[in-house]
Amino acid sequence: KAGVTQTPRYLIKTRGQQVTLSCSPISGHRSVSWYQQTPGQGLQFLFEYFSETQRNKGNFPGRFSGRQFSNSRSEMNVSTLELGDSALYLCASSLEGQGSDTQYFGPGTRLTVL
Amino acid sequence: AQSVTQLDSQVPVFEEAPVELRCNYSSSVSVYLFWYVQYPNQGLQLLLKYLSGSTLVESINGFEAEFNKSQTSFHLRKPSVHISDTAEYFCAVSGGGSYIPTFGRGTSLIVHP
Repeated sequence: KAGVTQTPRYLIKTRGQQVTLSCSPISGHRSVSWYQQTPGQGLQFLFEYFSETQRNKGNFPGRFSGRQFSNSRSEMNVSTLELGDSALYLCASSLEGQGSDTQYFGPGTRLTVL
Repeated sequence: AQSVTQLDSQVPVFEEAPVELRCNYSSSVSVYLFWYVQYPNQGLQLLLKYLSGSTLVESINGFEAEFNKSQTSFHLRKPSVHISDTAEYFCAVSGGGSYIPTFGRGTSLIVHP
């Protein structure tokens, strides 16, 4: 099976712009989670989608949003970009999003905000 | 609520030496425990996990971790490291009603020749 894919791999934006990141999970996986990784804060959970519904949400402002399509592919959107949004954004998929499930991560999208 | 503490942010070690990366967790319910590894410019990948049964779990590349319920720990060990083991290692815990694992801050393992 193909692994989790994320596009684009690299992105440069300026403050105030918005950005959309895409994630294609492993075939058959229904749960997709998004994480923000920075050197200072480590790995922080953004949100999780299961069957097109946001099931869990982390502690991020409303500028961060996401959605999941019927084929389980997911997108996340960040509006009104700030310098502090520069980070590696990781997508992870799992079969059912159960606590015992292994999370399979994509390579990430490196977002730089200038 | 659950949390994970990785006690060392960085662990330098010489090649062929043993290493232990420490992980402590807190949770009020039964837990599932994971170690993930992240190589440069890549996402995380599962190294090993504890779900139930034997408290000692092993990976295919020589790492092992032991679940210690009384000490709420899940330390990762390897008897002899290689240069290629240089990476960031993350401990994670999930369980109870939480579908989403909580990750530690990560430990950077640096193997010197």
